[in-house]
Amino acid sequence: DVKVTQSSRYLVKRTGEKVFLECVQDMDHENMFWYRQDPGLGLRLIYFSYDVKMKEKGDIPEGYSVSREKKERFSLILESASTNQTSMYLCASSLGQYGQPQHFGDGTRLSIL
Amino acid sequence: SQQGEEDPQALSIQEGENATMNCSYKTSINNLQWYRQNSGRGLVHLILIRSNEREKHSGRLRVTLDTSKKSSSLLITASRAADTASYFCATDAGTASKLTFGTGTRLQVTL
Repeated sequence: DVKVTQSSRYLVKRTGEKVFLECVQDMDHENMFWYRQDPGLGLRLIYFSYDVKMKEKGDIPEGYSVSREKKERFSLILESASTNQTSMYLCASSLGQYGQPQHFGDGTRLSIL
Repeated sequence: SQQGEEDPQALSIQEGENATMNCSYKTSINNLQWYRQNSGRGLVHLILIRSNEREKHSGRLRVTLDTSKKSSSLLITASRAADTASYFCATDAGTASKLTFGTGTRLQVTL
């Protein structure tokens, strides 16, 4: 079974801090994704990566950046955290072909105070 | 941007009953997928139906796809309390490896 591991289940940070969310997958998947999930809005794609050192913006990239130095690890960075970034963050991975099922981690519930 | 819209937003049924939830989308797709999310957890892939398929079964799950109406339905037969979760449809438009998720249906199955 594919395992996608997010480094923290719950995280509390202060406004203005630089925040790192880490995600690791163990199935050699080419694609990795970061979403945020908010009530009534469903999942919205922040960034995705289809290969090491490659990244593409999703629907809501503002205020975020990503890093993928190794195939198994995809990091989401909040450069200067703001209260409107309080949310559930979900990481996922999939094989490289189009339309493959995505495998999700359990999420990080991030609160910015 | 939201591609899929689930209907209803919330559904409450008793154990043993069938649950039907619907998904509508806007653009042409290669395939449509359904996912389940238990409270406080990540999403789990349930089933994938390709654009050239009309119906697919997996255990107690039955998915239909009508590309002319740009809609899909997920039927869960003989529901159990453990089916209580949120269910999301996701579409693949074939332009990249990404999926576009709907806003989900919250299903409550009571004893």
